[in-house]
Amino acid sequence: NAGVTQTPKFQVLKTGQSMTLQCAQDMNHNSMYWYRQDPGMGLRLIYYSASEGTTDKGEVPNGYNVSRLNKREFSLRLESAAPSQTSVYFCASSPETGRPYEQYFGPGTRLTVT
Amino acid sequence: GENVEQHPSTLSVQEGDSAVIKCTYSDSASNYFPWYKQELGKRPQLIIDIRSNVGEKKDQRIAVTLNKTAKHFSLHITETQPEDSAVYFCAASPPGSYQLTFGKGTKLSVIP
Repeated sequence: NAGVTQTPKFQVLKTGQSMTLQCAQDMNHNSMYWYRQDPGMGLRLIYYSASEGTTDKGEVPNGYNVSRLNKREFSLRLESAAPSQTSVYFCASSPETGRPYEQYFGPGTRLTVT
Repeated sequence: GENVEQHPSTLSVQEGDSAVIKCTYSDSASNYFPWYKQELGKRPQLIIDIRSNVGEKKDQRIAVTLNKTAKHFSLHITETQPEDSAVYFCAASPPGSYQLTFGKGTKLSVIP
């Protein structure tokens, strides 16, 4: 049981390049989330998906798109990377029943945009 | 939307002392308040949480208190140990949503 996995672990992009961050969970969770973490700013929600086939904007969605490919996978795409998107990106998931508020985080992707 | 303020941003304590971190929230309808611990280079992990129908919850050396009237909640760590050194985040969630709004974090250093 791997929990929440993210790829890649590290990435360096040039301004204007595009890339997709991948996230997968094997816990049969309904909800999935993408956060960015910047020094002194805490964790800010970019997008979330309450269930397969639905996505909604969070606090800081500009410059990002997401796809909930199936129940397991939730990807985050940067179409034209900017230096302001340099950050650590965390994916998380939470179950539908039991403890739906408890979010399980992936290991993170450290992205640098030059 | 919800806004969560967290204080202090850094906290240093001697090993064995207690540490207290405080958070305030803006949406009086919020009803779930978790605390996450993030060790250096690691992912955030839930350490304790409290629902709005409870005033206090304890788990060994960790406790959380909630004052709904004042819209603030606090994390208390007693008998601190070096392994408690980490960044701690509070969060709040409104009813009907599983989204979390996080505070900006408190870096706790426990000095041996």
